[in-house]
Amino acid sequence: AQSVAQPEDQVNVAEGNPLTVKCTYSVSGNPYLFWYVQYPNRGLQFLLKYITGDNLVKGSYGFEAEFNKSQTSFHLKKPSALVSDSALYFCASGVTGFQKLVFGTGTRLLVSP
Amino acid sequence: EPEVTQTPSHQVTQMGQEVILRCVPISNHLYFYWYRQILGQKVEFLVSFYNNEISEKSEIFDDQFSVERPDGSNFTLKIRSTKLEDSAMYFCASSPTSSGPGELFFGEGSRLTVL
Repeated sequence: AQSVAQPEDQVNVAEGNPLTVKCTYSVSGNPYLFWYVQYPNRGLQFLLKYITGDNLVKGSYGFEAEFNKSQTSFHLKKPSALVSDSALYFCASGVTGFQKLVFGTGTRLLVSP
Repeated sequence: EPEVTQTPSHQVTQMGQEVILRCVPISNHLYFYWYRQILGQKVEFLVSFYNNEISEKSEIFDDQFSVERPDGSNFTLKIRSTKLEDSAMYFCASSPTSSGPGELFFGEGSRLTVL
């Protein structure tokens, strides 16, 4: 069975500092991995995905994520946080041949000015 | 930019009543989905729909739930007899891919409150 873990309920970072939001996954076979962001009262917005290839994936709004197979991790990173990055971030996994995504519980990112 | 639209944005209903949530997916997308998010909890997969039939469903998607695409543009989720625990935000999503999980485009959600 698939599962995704986001160990931190909230991450606090000062504007301009680098940020990391952690995600680990458990998938049989090769995973499809995604990050989505949710702003208040909005739907989820796609940030980036890993399917195959380069372990470092670049996405929207300056975000990137690193796939680490040995640690089964897919942490989201950004070199310099903005106050406007404050939102709820979800990691998700999928497997080939199936459409469903399994989401983590979400991590609230709070960037202070 | 094309987007997924959902109506209503908020619906309040009495337990046991039927509810229909509506979605207009992005027009050239092939796969359609419903997910739900109970307040403060994770986003959960309900069902995927392709080529006018259900392609996958979760254990949550029991006989009280149904989906259809009645007119080639709308995609609806019907809950036949609502329960208190059905209170959640329901998200519709669509995807252009035809194989494997791909990037999902989500609507803004329909908040269902069952009293």
